[in-house]
Amino acid sequence: QKEVEQNSGPLSVPEGAIASLNCTYSDRGSQSFFWYRQYSGKSPELIMSIYSNGDKEDGRFTAQLNKASQYVSLLIRDSQPSDSATYLCAVNNGMDSSYKLIFGSGTRLLVRP
Amino acid sequence: DTGVSQDPRHKITKRGQNVTFRCDPISEHNRLYWYRQTLGQGPEFLTYFQNEAQLEKSRLLSDRFSAERPKGSFSTLEIQRTEQGDSAMYLCASSLRDRAYEQYFGPGTRLTVT
Repeated sequence: QKEVEQNSGPLSVPEGAIASLNCTYSDRGSQSFFWYRQYSGKSPELIMSIYSNGDKEDGRFTAQLNKASQYVSLLIRDSQPSDSATYLCAVNNGMDSSYKLIFGSGTRLLVRP
Repeated sequence: DTGVSQDPRHKITKRGQNVTFRCDPISEHNRLYWYRQTLGQGPEFLTYFQNEAQLEKSRLLSDRFSAERPKGSFSTLEIQRTEQGDSAMYLCASSLRDRAYEQYFGPGTRLTVT
């Protein structure tokens, strides 16, 4: 079992719709959770961080965390074609004072005009 | 530009050659990380520095790989005797001490070993 799992997609949504991206993680001790956006040929860009259960909103983005279910999601409201990218979920398990992030393989999002 | 910078952006080398990459972190960031990313995968952690001290190394970092961060500023990643399996995007990231998990990536160095 991979430590961080994401559906590879592509997830295709029409412009203006809500895109919902999901991620599960295996280490119950994980403490910090991140979403990165990566355009083709570019490096990952940090868009959201979440540390406690519940929702965190930033503009059109909402991150949701449920530690009991070991599940983190990203909602993108009013999706735009410019949101088309691969979204990477990353987790830090907080063990041994490690600061490394463990990434999923990413979900490719396509927003249709 | 005050972001993380990496040099070179692209490197093509022949198998068996040595290569060195450079990373300049965001100026006030004291933590620096190296990751490797292959096509269709997320980045994989290689190593991490706090100031000049290398505090963590992944088992992915074989003895052909070495990283340094002299004086706690820029960092270099050297790969000796490159193999075709080393072909990947090498990403550098940096973070503040008190927000260590929020890591900001540079543009990466794409290595192709022929």
